[in-house]
Amino acid sequence: AQSVTQLDSQVPVFEEAPVELRCNYSSSVSVYLFWYVQYPNQGLQLLLKYLSGSTLVESINGFEAEFNKSQTSFHLRKPSVHISDTAEYFCAVISTQGGSEKLVFGKGTKLTVNP
Amino acid sequence: GAGVSQTPSNKVTEKGKYVELRCDPISGHTALYWYRQSLGQGPEFLIYFQGTGAADDSGLPNDRFFAVRPEGSVSTLKIQRTERGDSAVYLCASSRGQGGTGELFFGEGSRLTVL
Repeated sequence: AQSVTQLDSQVPVFEEAPVELRCNYSSSVSVYLFWYVQYPNQGLQLLLKYLSGSTLVESINGFEAEFNKSQTSFHLRKPSVHISDTAEYFCAVISTQGGSEKLVFGKGTKLTVNP
Repeated sequence: GAGVSQTPSNKVTEKGKYVELRCDPISGHTALYWYRQSLGQGPEFLIYFQGTGAADDSGLPNDRFFAVRPEGSVSTLKIQRTERGDSAVYLCASSRGQGGTGELFFGEGSRLTVL
């Protein structure tokens, strides 16, 4: 079965600093990868996804993630974070086991941006 | 409505009681998912509907848990003889039914506390 590992449960950073949230997935023949974000008191929402094509994908608010097949990674990065980026970030992979498709999530990384 | 709606937002019940959690998906979305999120964990898959039928219920922890979607829209997650370990946030999501490559839209969740 597919699985996702998020190596850091909490990441504190200062405003305007760069950040990287790490994600590794179990290997599979084909893989679709996602980052979801949960802002305080809100539901999960899609941040970005990799389905095929360019290995570098971007979100509208400056985050990017790179699919690295050899390292089975999909790390999330932002060169300069804002206070408003404080949230919990979940990496997810599609599992196609058993003929159905479902998202399998990592445990999440809580990003706290301090002034 | 504009988004996925879940009711109740909070439910406190006593051990042994029966609980129903409701999910109203985005209009026109054929796929509906239930996840459970315990403290400090990522969302854990429970069940997935395509239309009225459960396409994958492999995540339901035991036979105390059951979910229905009789008309292919609203879904109800039913928990019998609740236990303290059932306490969690129950998340519902819907998608256009493109399979796992489509975006999942999540509700804000129903927080269940079993005393």
